[in-house]
Parts: sequence; structure tokens; C-alpha cells
Amino acid sequence: GNSVTQMEGPVTLSEEAFLTINCTYTATGYPSLFWYVQYPGEGLQLLLKATKADDKGSNKGFEATYRKETTSFHLEKGSVQVSDSAVYFCALSSNDYKLSFGAGTTVTVRA
Amino acid sequence: EAQVTQNPRYLITVTGKKLTVTCSQNMNHEYMSWYRQDPGLGLRQIYYSMNVEVTDKGDVPEGYKVSRKEKRNFPLILESPSPNQTSLYFCASSFGGTSTSTDTQYFGPGTRLTVL
Repeated sequence: GNSVTQMEGPVTLSEEAFLTINCTYTATGYPSLFWYVQYPGEGLQLLLKATKADDKGSNKGFEATYRKETTSFHLEKGSVQVSDSAVYFCALSSNDYKLSFGAGTTVTVRA
Repeated sequence: EAQVTQNPRYLITVTGKKLTVTCSQNMNHEYMSWYRQDPGLGLRQIYYSMNVEVTDKGDVPEGYKVSRKEKRNFPLILESPSPNQTSLYFCASSFGGTSTSTDTQYFGPGTRLTVL
């Protein structure tokens, strides 16, 4: 079956630091890949997505590239802000109407 | 405003007392889904629905029921709740159609359930 593995947290950074959250996946076929973000006390919202190999998703300064050869979809941001403090989830979806999530990575950015 | 709403937001109950968590979306989405979020496990899918009267099991369906009588509503029913169902529950919806693999899912605000 499908599965997603993402780096364990928590991750604590200073403002303007570089952020990377690793995500690797196992799937049959050609899944779509997503990063969702959950701010404190809220539901999840889509941060970015990529639907085929070599696609790069980007939003709010975050980027992730769909790497089929390494089955990875690592999230990066060059300069984080306090407002980026949240839980980040990597997820995949294939043509079986199911969405599989990683365990989530808690990121705290200090001023 | 396009949104997914859930009620109640917080619920404390006792073992065996039937409860229903409601979910409603106003985006005319065909696909709806329920997840539970537990520390260290991320979100796990409980049930999903591809359209009215069409539902199917996710990864952790035991102890839950759902129904989809109207397109906008997708209630989650716990007939006999147990303490291991204490969790944070999210409802989500997406456009759906013939394939959901590229869809963005829109999540509700969550329902925190405690079963004593």
C-alpha cells in the first residue's frame, strides 16, 4: 500500500533560517504529492502540490520538487518567519480515492 | 465563504453513549472524507464518500459509521464509543469526479473528542 515517511520533529529555528523537511514515499503507479500545513488550533490547509515527476510546487516562499528517482518530496524555505510556526504534513494521493499522510513535523520559529 | 463546518468542536462523553459529529460543505464537492489525528501517527482516513449514497472504508473504519444522504452533509457516527476513539477528528471535502488524485482537500476546523 501507499505510505509516507517524513522527518521527525520538533524542529526549532531562528527567524531567517533555512528550513528543510524531508519526505519520502512508497506508492504504486504515479501519485500526486502534497504538503499541508496546520496552524495552531486550525484544520489543515494545502500549502503546495505536484502532480507529476519533476514538477515543482511553490507557495508563500515554500518549495518542493517531485523526485521520482528518489521517491522524495522535500519541503524547503529559504528564510522562515515566526508566522511559519506550524505542523507540516506530507501526503500522497493515487487513483484510489485515498489520501495518505505522514506523521507531521512540528516547526517552531523563534524571533 | 467556501468552507467545511463541523459540529461540535469539542465533546466529552462516556463509553457506550452513541454520538454523531456533523460535517457540512458549501462548495458542491462530490468527495468527502473523515480523518482522525493522533500524535505520532499523522492523519488516518476513517471513511470516505465519492458521492451521494456511495461510501467506502478508509484505513481505520472499525467502530465508526457514516452516511451520505445529501451531497453537502457527511456525518460520522460512533454507535458505542470507547476510550481508544479519543482523538481529533477532521472532515474534508474535494471536487472529486472521476479521479481525486490531483484534488486539493479542504478541511474543517476539527472536533476534539474525549471518551471517558
